[in-house]
Amino acid sequence: DSGVTQTPKHLITATGQRVTLRCSPRSGDLSVYWYQQSLDQGLQFLIQYYNGEERAKGNILERFSAQQFPDLHSELNLSSLELGDSALYFCASSAPIAGGPYNEQFFGPGTRLTVL
Amino acid sequence: GQQLNQSPQSMFIQEGEDVSMNCTSSSIFNTWLWYKQDPGEGPVLLIALYKAGELTSNGRLTAQFGITRKDSFLNISASIPSDVGIYFCAGQAGGGATNKLIFGTGTLLAVQP
Repeated sequence: DSGVTQTPKHLITATGQRVTLRCSPRSGDLSVYWYQQSLDQGLQFLIQYYNGEERAKGNILERFSAQQFPDLHSELNLSSLELGDSALYFCASSAPIAGGPYNEQFFGPGTRLTVL
Repeated sequence: GQQLNQSPQSMFIQEGEDVSMNCTSSSIFNTWLWYKQDPGEGPVLLIALYKAGELTSNGRLTAQFGITRKDSFLNISASIPSDVGIYFCAGQAGGGATNKLIFGTGTLLAVQP
């Protein structure tokens, strides 16, 4: 158990709909990252928040948005859903790793989104 | 989206065999990482490498950060059935305010008892 929680675990919806995925980071972690994993694109970085502020953007569509709240949980909002949005969506949170400059990212179990 | 080239794509081996996989990039990274993903789970960090040429071990796992900063490899010795999963390399450019990861295409490892 990484300590990162994501809800829901599975989500099935129809094209054109809007969904919200939720992530709670590990206690004390200020950074939250969202990644999308699909068969054709692999694991792709979407967006990062640090202490409530957007820090970096990756391959995130304009139809997608995210936010991090004062209690540090984060939500990823996906709207006008298309079939191609079906994927696993992972949230990760980070803390400094002992002896290294890298902030180790701990991944949640993911939300599997199916768009029909 | 950007992905690192990882090979082989899949490996089917017998228990006890050694495994080697590698990852290459057209870009330079300051940090190379290796993750393992089990079915239905998120990736779990196995090894992190911070310096060009660095060789790091974690139990039966050994990874190296290529001198050019554009490649890395992971070796697993004496494989066991619980090594089954998908292994991903990831690079981090570093510098600036983000720690975003660029992932490899993954190597599926199957170990037959």
